[in-house]
Amino acid sequence: QVRLQESGPGLVNPSETLSLNCTVSGGSISNSYWSWIRQPPGKGLEWIGYIYYSGSTRYNPSLKSRVTISIDTSRNHFSLRLSSVTAADTAVYYCARLRDGAYAYWGQGSLVTVSS
Amino acid sequence: QSVLTQPPSVSGAPGQRVTISCTGSTSNIGAGYDVHWYLQRPGKAPQLLISGNSNRPSGVPDRFSGSKSGNTASLTISGLQAEDEADYYCTSYTRGSTWVFGGGTKLT
Repeated sequence: QVRLQESGPGLVNPSETLSLNCTVSGGSISNSYWSWIRQPPGKGLEWIGYIYYSGSTRYNPSLKSRVTISIDTSRNHFSLRLSSVTAADTAVYYCARLRDGAYAYWGQGSLVTVSS
Repeated sequence: QSVLTQPPSVSGAPGQRVTISCTGSTSNIGAGYDVHWYLQRPGKAPQLLISGNSNRPSGVPDRFSGSKSGNTASLTISGLQAEDEADYYCTSYTRGSTWVFGGGTKLT
């Protein structure tokens, strides 16, 4: 059974860069699409972007200028970087894996608060 | 404002049936892309409920069913149980090779 686990700082200063890792266990990171999805407190889900194991990426147009998703197949993990953060970027960040076109596997989520 | 439109809330009594709609456009659902549904309980990660418009993953009760027609998809829950109280989200791929979510529906 594939398991995903997010890790990273829970507090980020405004204007700085948010960085999160997602470690994949129970399966290979190869031959799959890996995504980041976030959920502001009390609000709905927002798709951030995905990366294929080969390194190709696609981002939400509204975040594209600030987002970078990368992958390290040798360490079975992928990462999210979101630059120039503001309070509006405060959210629970989930990593997830696509299977047969749907997000079948999710991490437990990592709350990131943007505040000084 | 979400790209896919869902009612903010629906309610029903135990044993009743409720339907949640998810309306998109010709850029996503109407383009022929599959719709997937997720259930999210408070403080938990979303979990896949319906994939490919109408397919139930292993372990999902057959009380849950999905359908799609044109630009709109629907999730129907029959024989409501107290444990069904949760938030429900739809999602679809898009012509722009991105994913979009509905705003979510709270089932009471």
